[in-house]
Amino acid sequence: DADVTQTPRNRITKTGKRIMLECSQTKGHDRMYWYRQDPGLGLRLIYYSFDVKDINKGEISDGYSVSRQAQAKFSLSLESAIPNQTALYFCATRGQGRGQPQHFGDGTRLSIL
Amino acid sequence: AQSVTQPDIHITVSEGASLELRCNYSYGATPYLFWYVQSPGQGLQLLLKYFSGDTLVQGIKGFEAEFKRSQSSFNLRKPSVHWSDAAEYFCAVGGGSQGNLIFGKGTKLSVKP
Repeated sequence: DADVTQTPRNRITKTGKRIMLECSQTKGHDRMYWYRQDPGLGLRLIYYSFDVKDINKGEISDGYSVSRQAQAKFSLSLESAIPNQTALYFCATRGQGRGQPQHFGDGTRLSIL
Repeated sequence: AQSVTQPDIHITVSEGASLELRCNYSYGATPYLFWYVQSPGQGLQLLLKYFSGDTLVQGIKGFEAEFKRSQSSFNLRKPSVHWSDAAEYFCAVGGGSQGNLIFGKGTKLSVKP
């Protein structure tokens, strides 16, 4: 089983709909991240969380919200989806300590029509 | 400002040839440096990391990278490329206790038979 699991893997929806992307992890990490990937732009940070009560905005948080339901679960919501939010979304986790790498899920491909 | 530059958007090499992917960074403190690989439909997999010690680091799949502080570079190398190495490669820099990463925009590697 994957250490970082994202659901759904693919989603097509319409403009204005509310969407939730879910991420769960079995690595026991306290730090979790949401990124979006667009062709030619690399990965950009949307939100990150250091524990259940500590949530922080990233580079491109407008139009998104998150919920850290438990140490192992971190959800990303689009309250009213718009076409330019069409992208590949990744969840990542990281353990404590200097130099620890981030570990990524397989991504959710989201298309908004 | 903190940033990562991968100057090559797309590189094509012949199978068996050597490979070097370039990465330059701008970071105000001691950087932690990472290379990730993304195969189609997959998440990002960590190839290697550097945060102290020997400036030549070995990673998985036969990859290595060299940290050159004077040039603000962390180039990825492989002596003999295999067809399965075709993927997109991302360089990332981070530091401090927060562990947030800044990613380059990626280099897509194609391998000719």
